[in-house]
Amino acid sequence: AQSVAQPEDQVNVAEGNPLTVKCTYSVSGNPYLFWYVQYPNRGLQFLLKYITGDNLVKGSYGFEAEFNKSQTSFHLKKPSALVSDSALYFCAVRLILTGGGNKLTFGTGTQLKVEL
Amino acid sequence: DTGVSQDPRHKITKRGQNVTFRCDPISEHNRLYWYRQTLGQGPEFLTYFQNEAQLEKSRLLSDRFSAERPKGSFSTLEIQRTEQGDSAMYLCASSLGADRAYEAFFGQGTRLTVV
Repeated sequence: AQSVAQPEDQVNVAEGNPLTVKCTYSVSGNPYLFWYVQYPNRGLQFLLKYITGDNLVKGSYGFEAEFNKSQTSFHLKKPSALVSDSALYFCAVRLILTGGGNKLTFGTGTQLKVEL
Repeated sequence: DTGVSQDPRHKITKRGQNVTFRCDPISEHNRLYWYRQTLGQGPEFLTYFQNEAQLEKSRLLSDRFSAERPKGSFSTLEIQRTEQGDSAMYLCASSLGADRAYEAFFGQGTRLTVV
């Protein structure tokens, strides 16, 4: 079964400092990996994806993620955190469904808190 | 706003009542998904439509749950005889087909509270 794990329930970082939100995966075959962000009382917003190619993927709002096959990790990073980045972050892996649809299996989420 | 729209945003119902939620996907998206998110957890897949065809259902979708997408556009999710364990956020997502199928856009969700 495909799965992702987010080992940290919460990450605290000071504004202006770099941030890392961790994700490890377990899949058979080549993984398709995603990061989504959820603000309070909002739906999920797509941040970035890894399908193939460069191990460093750039996404929305200055976020990037590094795919590491040997460590089966896909950590989310940002060089300089903003208070407005405070939100719940989910890592996900996809499973292809009948007809080509995608089932996303999400981690349990990591609450990011950026403080002044 | 041309994103995924869900209605209502909040629903409080008494145990045993039936509820129905609606999802309007992005207009050109032929794939539509329903997920359920409980407190402290990531979203869990419930079901998937390609156009009007329901192609996949999770075992989480008990016989009290039914989803439809009658004309391949909007979708409804009905829960019959609600139970307190059904309290959750119900999320709808849509995507294009082919090589853009992996990028799902989510609605803001319907928060269900069963009392």
